[in-house]
Amino acid sequence: EVQLVQSGAEVKKPGESLRISCKGSGYTFTSYWISWVRQMPGKGLEWMGRIDPSDSYTNYSPSFQGHVTLSADKSISTAYLHWSSLKASDTAMYYCARRVGSGNFYNNWVDPWGQGTLVTVSS
Amino acid sequence: QSVLTQPPSVSGAPGQRVIISCTGSSSNIGAGYDVHWYQQLPGTAPKLFIYGNSNRPSGVPDRVSGSKSGTSASLAITGLQAEDEADYYCHSYDSSLSGSVFGGGTKLTVL
Repeated sequence: EVQLVQSGAEVKKPGESLRISCKGSGYTFTSYWISWVRQMPGKGLEWMGRIDPSDSYTNYSPSFQGHVTLSADKSISTAYLHWSSLKASDTAMYYCARRVGSGNFYNNWVDPWGQGTLVTVSS
Repeated sequence: QSVLTQPPSVSGAPGQRVIISCTGSSSNIGAGYDVHWYQQLPGTAPKLFIYGNSNRPSGVPDRVSGSKSGTSASLAITGLQAEDEADYYCHSYDSSLSGSVFGGGTKLTVL
């Protein structure tokens, strides 16, 4: 079974750093990009960016470029989302998802999704 | 404001048919990029519901269908059931942003 398992909920203070993880299993981790999606409380889905675990090449949404960093360790089939200095506005649920496609890079969808990691930033 | 526009809510009685629209522009749906749909049940992670405009993953019933025309796409659910009550999101690629975009989401209520 293809699965993405994310790290547990985090409670942090503004200014602190944080790295959350997403571990893939049941498939060849380096063959599929991983996307990250933010969902703020009571709001919709926002695409943050994606990473190719085979070479750590990344694409970021303009809205998130410079605010977060995506990385991956293919030796342990794990992708990461990192903040160097959290803000209260980073409070949200964060999902990772495997990017799947029919061959055309631009027509890919995501499946499956991780269970989500809730990040709470509060002083 | 989302790049892809969805109605905030739709509703229907059990057994009825509902349609959820997703309106984009010439840099995403209108440029020919595929549209995908996700279902998010309360308190859970999103799940793939329709991919490649009209394809159903295994496990999604055939009373669910998707279509695309011009700069818009639609998700139709017939024979509404209580278990269909969820949030639904459309997803496509946008060439201006060089990345994926989601619709704002539509809350489906089964009356």
